[in-house]
Parts: sequence; C-alpha cells; structure tokens
Amino acid sequence: DTGVSQDPRHKITKRGQNVTFRCDPISEHNRLYWYRQTLGQGPEFLTYFQNEAQLEKSRLLSDRFSAERPKGSFSTLEIQRTEQGDSAMYLCASSVGTAGNTIYFGEGSWLTVV
Amino acid sequence: GDSVTQMEGPVTLSEEAFLTINCTYTATGYPSLFWYVQYPGEGLQLLLKATKADDKGSNKGFEATYRKETTSFHLEKGSVQVSDSAVYFCALEPPGGYQKVTFGIGTKLQVIP
Repeated sequence: DTGVSQDPRHKITKRGQNVTFRCDPISEHNRLYWYRQTLGQGPEFLTYFQNEAQLEKSRLLSDRFSAERPKGSFSTLEIQRTEQGDSAMYLCASSVGTAGNTIYFGEGSWLTVV
Repeated sequence: GDSVTQMEGPVTLSEEAFLTINCTYTATGYPSLFWYVQYPGEGLQLLLKATKADDKGSNKGFEATYRKETTSFHLEKGSVQVSDSAVYFCALEPPGGYQKVTFGIGTKLQVIP
C-alpha cells in the first residue's frame, strides 16, 4: 500500500477564493473520511463516504463546503468563498470499513486564508 | 454525544522516565478505543487499540487497558525516549461498525535527553 495521499499539502489563499483538496485513499478501501484539525485541537469529523455514497455530514460542514467521491475512488473537498475561520489542516483517511479496523490518515492539507 | 477527555499538555519528561497520559471517555455501549500519535510534520498514525473491555493494546513499548468501570484508556510507557516526542490523541469509535471516530484534544509529549 502506498498510503493515503493528499494534495496540495499546503495552500495559501485570499479570503473569498475557492479552494479544492484532493485525497487518494488506499486502494480497495471502501470508506473515506474528511476531518478538520485546528492548532491545539484534535481532529473533528466532517464527512464520510461508503464507496461513492456520502453517508453523513457534520454540522461543521457549512453550505460552502462540498465533498465528492466519484466512482468510489479519490475524493475532493471544495471550500467556496473561503473565510479566515476556514484556516486549518484538512485530513483525509480511509479504511476497509469494519468495526475496530484501523483508519489510515494522510498527512493532511494545510489551508491558510489571508 | 460521544466525547473524549485527555490531560492537557505539554508533558515534559527526561529520557527513561515513566509516562502516563490519562484519557477518559463518554459513550453509549462499548466503543472501540484508540491512541493515535502525530510526529512533527507528519500525519496521524495508529499507535494501539482495544475493542472490548479489559483488552490491553500495546505497541512500541506503549500500553493501554480498556477499563469499562472507570471509562478510561490511559496510555503508559515504562521508559520514554527522545524519539517518542510527539502529540498523542486518545479516540473512540462507537459500536456497530460506523467508524465515526471522536478524538481528544491531544497531549504534547516532549522528552529531553
């Protein structure tokens, strides 16, 4: 396995711009998760996919956020009209999807909104 | 809802000292419990896990025992090394295979030579 990969690793954007992050999960992992982590805090759940179906979205995921996983492989997380409060690390993770199974995290995508 | 409470850091220890990081949780039923570690500049890695009461997870000299009666999952290591310096996160996954993991705020450990 090559691990979960995320791109870009770092993004600096001006307030009001749109940004998109991509996540490539470990092959054959049917579940994919997005989390957000701010400095000094633990990761917070945003959303998850079972194959291509988005099964739950946290209330943290406002209307400006959208996530997709076409064909059940890679996923994208788009943030529209970014705000300074969106500055955080966005973590992607994947798993086989059985209770207690290991969830593998990527190295994260750092977003700074200026 | 589910929650995880862990001791705030930073925790500073000398090399070869004994480590304990406390973690307690609130959840319905019997969740799975995890410790994740985040080294500087890297992503989260699973350190150890326990999926039922009285289970002990262990890895790289670290141990944690799932205590249902005290709703705790404290992390311990008998002799820390400088290379153990990292942020440690306690986490839980609710029963049923849903796998929405809830994390604590993390405890930063710094080990000095």
